[in-house]
Amino acid sequence: AQSVTQPDIHITVSEGASLELRCNYSYGATPYLFWYVQSPGQGLQLLLKYFSGDTLVQGIKGFEAEFKRSQSSFNLRKPSVHWSDAAEYFCAVGAQAGANNLFFGTGTRLTVIP
Amino acid sequence: DGGITQSPKYLFRKEGQNVTLSCEQNLNHDAMYWYRQDPGQGLRLIYYSQIVNDFQKGDIAEGYSVSREKKESFPLTVTSAQKNPTAFYLCASSILSGGYTFGSGTRLTVV
Repeated sequence: AQSVTQPDIHITVSEGASLELRCNYSYGATPYLFWYVQSPGQGLQLLLKYFSGDTLVQGIKGFEAEFKRSQSSFNLRKPSVHWSDAAEYFCAVGAQAGANNLFFGTGTRLTVIP
Repeated sequence: DGGITQSPKYLFRKEGQNVTLSCEQNLNHDAMYWYRQDPGQGLRLIYYSQIVNDFQKGDIAEGYSVSREKKESFPLTVTSAQKNPTAFYLCASSILSGGYTFGSGTRLTVV
């Protein structure tokens, strides 16, 4: 069965520090992988996605993620965090076709200290 | 610009009352979804629809109903049978082989 684990419920970093949010998945086939960000009271915005090809993918707002098949991971990184990055981050894994094909992690809340 | 519009942004429901949340998309997406979000519980799927006039229950469909009479529209009704409806509701849409695009959400509160 498909599943996504975000082991960190809450992370606090200082502004300007680097960031890595962890995501591990369980999926029987080649997955589609996504990271979304949610600001308080808002919907989810797509940061980046991996379908195939280069395992290091670049996204919006300076984020990147690396797909590591051997570790079943798709960790999100940013070299220097800005105060505006404070939000909730969701990892999702999905099938390569069909509806209802995404499974979401429970999210990691990021706090940025000035 | 294409996107998903949810309305209203805030909604208040009295005990025993049905309320309907609107979700409209102009992305020409085939599939649409309704999620419920509670603090610390992530996203839970209520209903989804792959095509017009067809929809399937998600993990927490009890107390909710939907319709899909048009490709662009997927309204959610929270019925009086839903005993704990206070939550943030998110609508999303997708093509059948891609990621989801989300609306900005509706916050429903029971008063």
